[in-house]
Amino acid sequence: NAGVTQTPKFQVLKTGQSMTLQCAQDMNHEYMSWYRQDPGMGLRLIHYSVGAGITDQGEVPNGYNVSRSTTEDFPLRLLSAAPSQTSVYFCASSYSFESSGNTIYFGEGSWLTVV
Amino acid sequence: AQSVAQPEDQVNVAEGNPLTVKCTYSVSGNPYLFWYVQYPNRGLQFLLKYITGDNLVKGSYGFEAEFNKSQTSFHLKKPSALVSDSALYFCAVRDRGSTLGRLYFGRGTQLTVWP
Repeated sequence: NAGVTQTPKFQVLKTGQSMTLQCAQDMNHEYMSWYRQDPGMGLRLIHYSVGAGITDQGEVPNGYNVSRSTTEDFPLRLLSAAPSQTSVYFCASSYSFESSGNTIYFGEGSWLTVV
Repeated sequence: AQSVAQPEDQVNVAEGNPLTVKCTYSVSGNPYLFWYVQYPNRGLQFLLKYITGDNLVKGSYGFEAEFNKSQTSFHLKKPSALVSDSALYFCAVRDRGSTLGRLYFGRGTQLTVWP
């Protein structure tokens, strides 16, 4: 049981490049989400999904796309990287969206630098 | 609008002394409340949560938190701090009635325990 797995852990991109951050969970969780962490700002929700085939925008969705073709995987795509997207990205999941008391589990993070 | 405040950016305590990391929240209705800990270059680890019932919640690594509805607070406490407790601590709230399912995070409090 690996929990929530993110790759890559570190990445440097040039402005305008695109890339995909991978996220997989092996806990059969329905709910998955992506957050970004910036100094002094806590974590902010980018996109989320309540099940395969269903995604929606969070607080800061601009410049990012997601898809959820399977229950296990929830990749985050940066379409055209900008320096403002330099951040630490966390994927998270929980068992069921319907019970908001369920604990959300986080991956180890992906450190992204856009130059 | 939902929000979480951690009024102290840093908390410094000596090993063996009690520690408190403060958190207040503003959310419509009754919230679910969480504490997470982040060690350097790592993901967020779940510590404890308040769902309902006893206002004193016990969690991992000897931590506990007290839910105070009248003061809208959920302070994290530990009777005797360890150097290994030094980390970044996040308070988070999840709205029971939310269709977004997201966590709202505070900005984090850096705890340093001196030997």
